[in-house]
Amino acid sequence: GALVYQYPRRTICKSGTSMRMECQAVGFQATSVAWYRQSPQKTFELIALSTVNSAIKYEQNFTQEKFPISHPNLSFSSMTVLNAYLEDRGLYLCGASRGNSDYTFGSGTRLLVI
Amino acid sequence: GDQVEQSPSALSLHEGTDSALRCNFTTTMRSVQWFRQNSRGSLISLFYLASGTKENGRLKSAFDSKERRYSTLHIRDAQLEDSGTYFCAAESTGNYKYVFGAGTRLKVIA
Repeated sequence: GALVYQYPRRTICKSGTSMRMECQAVGFQATSVAWYRQSPQKTFELIALSTVNSAIKYEQNFTQEKFPISHPNLSFSSMTVLNAYLEDRGLYLCGASRGNSDYTFGSGTRLLVI
Repeated sequence: GDQVEQSPSALSLHEGTDSALRCNFTTTMRSVQWFRQNSRGSLISLFYLASGTKENGRLKSAFDSKERRYSTLHIRDAQLEDSGTYFCAAESTGNYKYVFGAGTRLKVIA
């Protein structure tokens, strides 16, 4: 079946430092990868959508300078949170799709900033 | 932008009762997916619908096939293990971008 693994599961970083998280699709080709953030007590906000052979599209309030994303092949993506501050804490979810299909989500990376 | 309005925001059910969650969309959507988020934060996919209805055990979901402006998730004979937060996410035509609803916090009580 289609699975998405994210790591690390949980991480703590000091305010002002950066943290990289990874997303691995297993059992299917991840044509599209979407990164979301769920801030405490909130819903999932789309950060950016990466589709093979297209530029990565960032949503309003999120920028490449703050959340650089790499999607080098059809099974892997990574995102870095640069200069993390308190407001960046939350659960970061990666969802992968074959394109024109449903998304399979990983278990998320929970980021704590201290 | 595309908006997904999910209701209710919270729900408390007695074991054995039935209820329904709903998501309204401000624009025509191509597909909808329903999830349950467990206590560890993981999203478990319940249904993916491009149209019509799907059923799995005590859960049933429907996506309005005509105007594609709403979807429902029905829970039959609620059990304690159904407790959690339920999200719908919908994709507007052609952009592969899922927008999430605000979630429904469901608590099933004995």
